Amino acid sequence: RKEVEQDPGPFNVPEGATVAFNCTYSNSASQSFFWYRQDCRKEPKLLMSVYSSGNEDGRFTAQLNRASQYISLLIRDSKLSDSATYLCVVNWPAANTGFQKLVFGTGTRLLVSP
Amino acid sequence: GAVVSQHPSRVICKSGTSVKIECRSLDFQATTMFWYRQFPKQSLMLMATSNEGSKATYEQGVEKDKFLINHASLTLSTLTVTSAHPEDSSFYICSARDQWPSGGQAGTDTQYFGPGTRLTVL
Repeated sequence: RKEVEQDPGPFNVPEGATVAFNCTYSNSASQSFFWYRQDCRKEPKLLMSVYSSGNEDGRFTAQLNRASQYISLLIRDSKLSDSATYLCVVNWPAANTGFQKLVFGTGTRLLVSP
Repeated sequence: GAVVSQHPSRVICKSGTSVKIECRSLDFQATTMFWYRQFPKQSLMLMATSNEGSKATYEQGVEKDKFLINHASLTLSTLTVTSAHPEDSSFYICSARDQWPSGGQAGTDTQYFGPGTRLTVL
């Protein structure tokens, strides 16, 4: 099983549509979860952190299901500018050292058309 | 938010040469910086974790003698790709962890990414 798994897409949606992305992770010890956005040939930018209770930021809603090790991102009222790759990111504690690193999914590509 | 810069943004070099990439945290101190590599249509892969004043921790499969990392100050880490070959061509991205983010707690996982360096080895 991949450490962090996402559907690569692309998801082609019209402006105004609602689209949802899913992500699963394999490390049950992970404590922090994020969604990043990456535009073509650019660095990733933090979109939002994901909290256990779920959280919303404008048109974006993130949900976390620890039992199923599943994270989701919902985008409402899609804009052309939302076209990008959305990366699911999970912190990865090392069992013995406590050292943590971030593990990135391969990303889900979103294309919003007029 | 916190700003991380990288230099150069793009480099083209001949096979066998060495390339140095700099990563700087501009408005915060970063005791830990991370170096990632991203090949086309693939995800970011962590190469190594760089701690100020100590040796870097390399991920499995990353050659430490080929990818030299130096983190001499709280605001600067460098990655040197030695004897670069065409298969080293990639997008190299650094990130820095803000040890004391405002309103947050020490040791959180918020990482701020540099703009990346695109390396092409001919």
